[in-house]
Amino acid sequence: NAGVTQTPKFQVLKTGQSMTLQCAQDMNHNSMYWYRQDPGMGLRLIYYSASEGTTDKGEVPNGYNVSRLNKREFSLRLESAAPSQTSVYFCASSNPPGTSGNNEQFFGPGTRLTVL
Amino acid sequence: GDSVTQMEGPVTLSEEAFLTINCTYTATGYPSLFWYVQYPGEGLQLLLKATKADDKGSNKGFEATYRKETTSFHLEKGSVQVSDSAVYFCAKNTGNQFYFGTGTSLTVIP
Repeated sequence: NAGVTQTPKFQVLKTGQSMTLQCAQDMNHNSMYWYRQDPGMGLRLIYYSASEGTTDKGEVPNGYNVSRLNKREFSLRLESAAPSQTSVYFCASSNPPGTSGNNEQFFGPGTRLTVL
Repeated sequence: GDSVTQMEGPVTLSEEAFLTINCTYTATGYPSLFWYVQYPGEGLQLLLKATKADDKGSNKGFEATYRKETTSFHLEKGSVQVSDSAVYFCAKNTGNQFYFGTGTSLTVIP
């Protein structure tokens, strides 16, 4: 049981390049999330997917797109990277409140992205 | 709107000192409340949780009580260790969304 996995762990891009961050979970969770973490700002929600086939914007969606490929996988795409997108990106998954088991979020190890 | 406010850091304590990290939240609905811990270079891990008023979450010597009347969920530990050095995040869950505080960095010195 690997939990939440993310690839890559590190990435350096030049301004204007594109890339996709991959996330997968093996806990059969319905909901998946993408956050960015910046110094002094905590975690900010970029996009989330409450269930397979649905996605919604979070607090800071501009410059990003997402795809909920299936129940396990949720990818984040930067179409044209900017230096302001230098950050650490975390994927997380959970089940909605009221479902069996816990409703806390489980986090991946993060992707450290630098845009030059 | 929904938000979580926690004590700003950084906090530096000597080993065996008492720790309190304050956390308050906006009272929207009936949220579950969480404390997460992040060690250097890692993702967030759940430390403890409470799902209703007056519940006490506890783990690894840390405790927090869900106080609906003061909309607070303060984290406490009676005697910190060097290994507790990390960043601590308070969070609430309403529906499908989670709201995190900005994090409090704790350093424990021997």
